[in-house]
Amino acid sequence: ETGVTQSPTHLIKTRGQQVTLRCSSQSGHNTVSWYQQALGQGPQFIFQYYREEENGRGNFPPRFSGLQFPNYSSELNVNALELDDSALYLCASSLGTVNTEAFFGQGTRLTVV
Amino acid sequence: AQKVTQAQTEISVVEKEDVTLDCVYETRDTTYYLFWYKQPPSGELVFLIRRNSFDEQNEISGRYSWNFQKSTSSFNFTITASQVVDSAVYFCALSPNTGNQFYFGTGTSLTVIP
Repeated sequence: ETGVTQSPTHLIKTRGQQVTLRCSSQSGHNTVSWYQQALGQGPQFIFQYYREEENGRGNFPPRFSGLQFPNYSSELNVNALELDDSALYLCASSLGTVNTEAFFGQGTRLTVV
Repeated sequence: AQKVTQAQTEISVVEKEDVTLDCVYETRDTTYYLFWYKQPPSGELVFLIRRNSFDEQNEISGRYSWNFQKSTSSFNFTITASQVVDSAVYFCALSPNTGNQFYFGTGTSLTVIP
């Protein structure tokens, strides 16, 4: 086990709704990154949070937003859900912003109907 | 631009066979890291190895070995004497030293048949 936990593990939402996914980083890690993995694809970078500030963002629209808390846990919020948002959402924690090594959680599988 | 290509979408082998998973990458950065991750059906990405761009030594860890060749921009992964528990999707990833994200390939799904 990596010590990175994500909740919930599965979620079904209706198009247009909003969703919040949560991630607890590994002890001692101050950086959290979020990835979206569509079926049959590799994970795609959404954004990274370092010490509570956004530190880089991939090619995702503003309706994807995030937060990092003082204990370094993090949330991913997605507004106005679309069918294409159905995917596995992975959280990775690391010490520092450069990916010398990152540990991933088990992911949240989001289905938008 | 950063890119990772895993041309093998699916591979099936019989238990105890050796198998090599290919990874080719593109980057203009001179310093970068390469990774392999394993993703079992549970979904979690399990870290296998990290290699920085200045270290071209091949590495062996038990039944796993990695061949990094900068001249061909490849970082291939070999499993010796495969086992059913090796069945998973394997991802190769690149992370530039100046950046903060992984660039993943599309993955290779390995099935080891008993």
